[in-house]
This record gives sequence, structure tokens and C-alpha cells, in this order.
Amino acid sequence: GQNIDQPTEMTATEGAIVQINCTYQTSGFNGLFWYQQHAGEAPTFLSYNVLDGLEEKGRFSSFLSRSKGYSYLLLKELQMKDSASYLCAVRDGDYKLSFGAGTTVTVRA
Amino acid sequence: IAGITQAPTSQILAAGRRMTLRCTQDMRHNAMYWYRQDLGLGLRLIHYSNTAGTTGKGEVPDGYSVSRANTDDFPLTLASAVPSQTSVYFCASSSSGGAGDEQFFGPGTRLTVL
Repeated sequence: GQNIDQPTEMTATEGAIVQINCTYQTSGFNGLFWYQQHAGEAPTFLSYNVLDGLEEKGRFSSFLSRSKGYSYLLLKELQMKDSASYLCAVRDGDYKLSFGAGTTVTVRA
Repeated sequence: IAGITQAPTSQILAAGRRMTLRCTQDMRHNAMYWYRQDLGLGLRLIHYSNTAGTTGKGEVPDGYSVSRANTDDFPLTLASAVPSQTSVYFCASSSSGGAGDEQFFGPGTRLTVL
């Protein structure tokens, strides 16, 4: 089976930076995704990494180290609307997507 | 319609009843998926279809069946519902199911089995 670990909860202040870590052990690897999910809503795509390194997209950046089985999502200049769950998902050797349990980020004023 | 739609939005069902959750997409995506989301467990894949006419089992397929008669529709059927199937169900689709394809999710169906 797949094993994807991420912290359950994180709290940060508006305007700050938060880093959400994700470690994984999967059967094969074909990329890592980050999704954002607001309470009661569907997940929406944030980023995709398949090669090692940092991918930057506005206030959000995602990093991948395949040799370490590790990724992080960096959220900069936090806004209240960033309060949500962030889901780490790994596409395995069979091209199926396995999700971590999600990290709930609470942004406080 | 635009994107993925699911019906019903929510449903309360008696144990033992048969139920079909509907999913339709208008993006002409080849691949479609059904997930269930439970607190503390994240999204788990139930069944998937890489193209019309083919289906496959995911991580938690027992008690569920699917069909893919055409590109747009991917219904999920619970033949005889049990309380452990109480969950939020999400349908998703992607262009081809390839490595870099992002999945687009429907709004979800909240199902309660009593």
C-alpha cells in the first residue's frame, strides 16, 4: 500500500509564511500533487512536481526531493482565505493517485 | 453545464437500500474516478475508468460498482448500503490519466446510511 504522511493541523498569522511537509513511500512514482480544499467544497489543484526542485506559482511554492520521498508546500503572505485543508497526493507506478489525510491550516488575524 | 456535476447533493438512506450516485462531466476527459472522503483518512479511490468501456478497482472497491457506457457519465452504485458507507463521495476526471494530468473534482455527494 501507499504511505503518505502530513501534519494534521497548522496555525499561522495573517501575512506570515507556513510550510506544510509531506513524506511518502509509494510503489513507483509519477509525480506529486498539492490540492487545496475549503470546508464543504471540492479539492482544487494547486501544484504538480515530478522533478526535484522548487516550483513557484505566485504566493504558493512546492518543493520535491524524490530521493528523500519528501515534498513541501510553502504558502507566503498568508491571507484569511488561505484557511483550508491542503492535500498531498502521489501518483504511483500504476498512475493512480493516493492522498494523504490532509493538513488543516488556520490563518488568524 | 461546465466541469463536473454530481447528484444528489446529499442523501439519507436506509441500510440495505440500493443507491446510485451520478456523475457527469462535459470536458471530454477520458479518465474518471470515484473517491470517498472520511475524517482523518483523506480521499480514498473506490473505482476508476481510464476510458469509456473500461473500469478498474481502487483501494476500497468492496460494496460498490461502476459502469462507463460513454465518455461523459460515470455512475457509482451501492447495491445494498451499509452504515460504514456513510461518507462524502467525490467524482473526478482528468484528460488522459497520465502522469502530469491534474484531476478536476465535482462538488461531492454527502451520503448518510442509517
